Amino acid sequence: GAGVSQSPSNKVTEKGKDVELRCDPISGHTALYWYRQSLGQGLEFLIYFQGNSAPDKSGLPSDRFSAERTGGSVSTLTIQRTQQEDSAVYLCASSLTSGESYEQYFGPGTRLTVT
Amino acid sequence: AQSVTQLDSHVSVSEGTPVLLRCNYSSSYSPSLFWYVQHPNKGLQLLLKYTSAATLVKGINGFEAEFKKSETSFHLTKPSAHMSDAAEYFCVVSEWQRDDKIIFGKGTRLHILP
Repeated sequence: GAGVSQSPSNKVTEKGKDVELRCDPISGHTALYWYRQSLGQGLEFLIYFQGNSAPDKSGLPSDRFSAERTGGSVSTLTIQRTQQEDSAVYLCASSLTSGESYEQYFGPGTRLTVT
Repeated sequence: AQSVTQLDSHVSVSEGTPVLLRCNYSSSYSPSLFWYVQHPNKGLQLLLKYTSAATLVKGINGFEAEFKKSETSFHLTKPSAHMSDAAEYFCVVSEWQRDDKIIFGKGTRLHILP
């Protein structure tokens, strides 16, 4: 079956521009997660959604970052006024629901390069 | 707050020899612990998880991990390495009882020598 998909796979943008990253979770998965993987830094948890609501937004690095999810499905991560330190791979994952034992399925990621 | 430390950024082993990837965690609650693997140019895949059941957890591809509360460790092992095991491995801790934050370790890159 279809897994988690993300678009675009690669994005190059100029410093100061806004970008939108899209995540399509597995159908029926109510929980959706955004992570950032910077070189040498491991994975950084950004935000998660249960349905359309985001109980915890404290992982977002600054107020330039925002995310929304509509219809309990597609999610968009928006970065405003991009900076070079935003360059990273942004990973999305979904799981059946949130909780201690539900496996997260990861998308292939969006590689963002800010020049 | 919870935290996780992967003690080695790179590990090299010869094919056919045992693998040990070390992970220590810090948690005020009974944590859930996971190991994920990321092969080059591929997404993350769950290897195994510990969620307060058996302390010795068996995962896919012959990997195991043992939860040792006294040592706050969750090391990943495999008796005999295969070339296809070359990848990056992430140890993950979460405290679902408290909040929904998930903390990833910085990763250990496993190299398999022929």
